[in-house]
Amino acid sequence: DAGVTQSPTHLIKTRGQQVTLRCSPKSGHDTVSWYQQALGQGPQFIFQYYEEEERQRGNFPDRFSGHQFPNYSSELNVNALLLGDSALYLCASSAGPPGDEQYFGPGTRLTVT
Amino acid sequence: DQQVKQNSPSLSVQEGRISILNCDYTNSMFDYFLWYKKYPAEGPTFLISISSIKDKNEDGRFTVFLNKSAKHLSLHIVPSQPGDSAVYFCAASANSNYQLIWGAGTKLIIKP
Repeated sequence: DAGVTQSPTHLIKTRGQQVTLRCSPKSGHDTVSWYQQALGQGPQFIFQYYEEEERQRGNFPDRFSGHQFPNYSSELNVNALLLGDSALYLCASSAGPPGDEQYFGPGTRLTVT
Repeated sequence: DQQVKQNSPSLSVQEGRISILNCDYTNSMFDYFLWYKKYPAEGPTFLISISSIKDKNEDGRFTVFLNKSAKHLSLHIVPSQPGDSAVYFCAASANSNYQLIWGAGTKLIIKP
């Protein structure tokens, strides 16, 4: 049983560019959450998708958008990249109520130059 | 405004002894708390959780204690093993809120 997978593993982009990160949830999970983890900090909640809709959003600008597909996989899009967007982006999947155990992927390391 | 705080960036413990990791929170609406462990180059892995209706939850070598009046929780690992060396994150959620609020993490180092 594959766990949560994310692609790509690493990515280097230039300021102003756009990026798309991808996530496949653990089998049987229908909810996907995205987090941004800056160096030395805990993960910061970006948003959560359920039934192909954004269910809740953290304190992130509209440059951050997402999508969930019928097979529950998800994408995170970031437009007009800033240097401060450099971070580890984590995807987590779950199958239960809020706060239920979330399974995390290994993350995508995004570097903006 | 940090709603979940882990004030110790790192902790070093002798193998076989008890490791105690601490976490404080400020939001009284939090009613569910979780501990995650993270190894380098891997995503966080769920360890143990506790609901606000309890003050203790135990799972093998791991025990989480919750003191609601002090808005404090702690994770005890007994006995500590070399494989426990990792970064430990405390996270919290409120019933009406789907997002987890995370602390900055504590790096635990188990010395042989």
